[in-house]
Amino acid sequence: TQLLEQSPQFLSIQEGENLTVYCNSSSVFSSLQWYRQEPGEGPVLLVTVVTGGEVKKLKRLTFQFGDARKDSSLHITAAQPGDTGLYLCAGEDGGFKTIFGAGTRLFVKA
Amino acid sequence: DADVTQTPRNRITKTGKRIMLECSQTKGHDRMYWYRQDPGLGLQLIYYSFDVKDINKGEISDGYSVSRQAQAKFSLSLESAIPNQTALYFCATSDSYEQFFGPGTRLTVL
Repeated sequence: TQLLEQSPQFLSIQEGENLTVYCNSSSVFSSLQWYRQEPGEGPVLLVTVVTGGEVKKLKRLTFQFGDARKDSSLHITAAQPGDTGLYLCAGEDGGFKTIFGAGTRLFVKA
Repeated sequence: DADVTQTPRNRITKTGKRIMLECSQTKGHDRMYWYRQDPGLGLQLIYYSFDVKDINKGEISDGYSVSRQAQAKFSLSLESAIPNQTALYFCATSDSYEQFFGPGTRLTVL
């Protein structure tokens, strides 16, 4: 059974701080996605990484896919209250089935 | 108008009742999914369908059934609801790595 473990489960920081969220697995994935979910809404895709070692930047967010395509990280620089939400990583197995991690709940205090 | 809609948004029911959750999409995608979300467990796949004639069980299909009435419609049924099926349910569609989620249905089984 493929599993994706996310850490930390919960993170509360001050506005302006940097943070990193991790997503780890013992399985290899064809691609890995990061989603953000706000209360009362479904998850919304932030980024997809496909190539081992790939780094993608989305404004203050930096996503990295591990060389072996088993793990990923999300780094946020100078966090803002608007970054508050549940961050989910998801691995796609090559058969269009997606496994989701349990999520990291981020709270950024003003 | 939203691309993926779910009805109802909220439902409270009693143990043993039959419940149907409905999902419609206007994105024209062939692939549709049903997930449940519980605190600390992320999103777990219940059923998925890659086209109208294709239905597949996910990780946690016991106690659930689905119907793909058309490309745009995918319904989830609980034949005899039980309290541990209390959760947030999401429908999603996809034609690539990205999944597009509906707003969710919050189901409470008393």
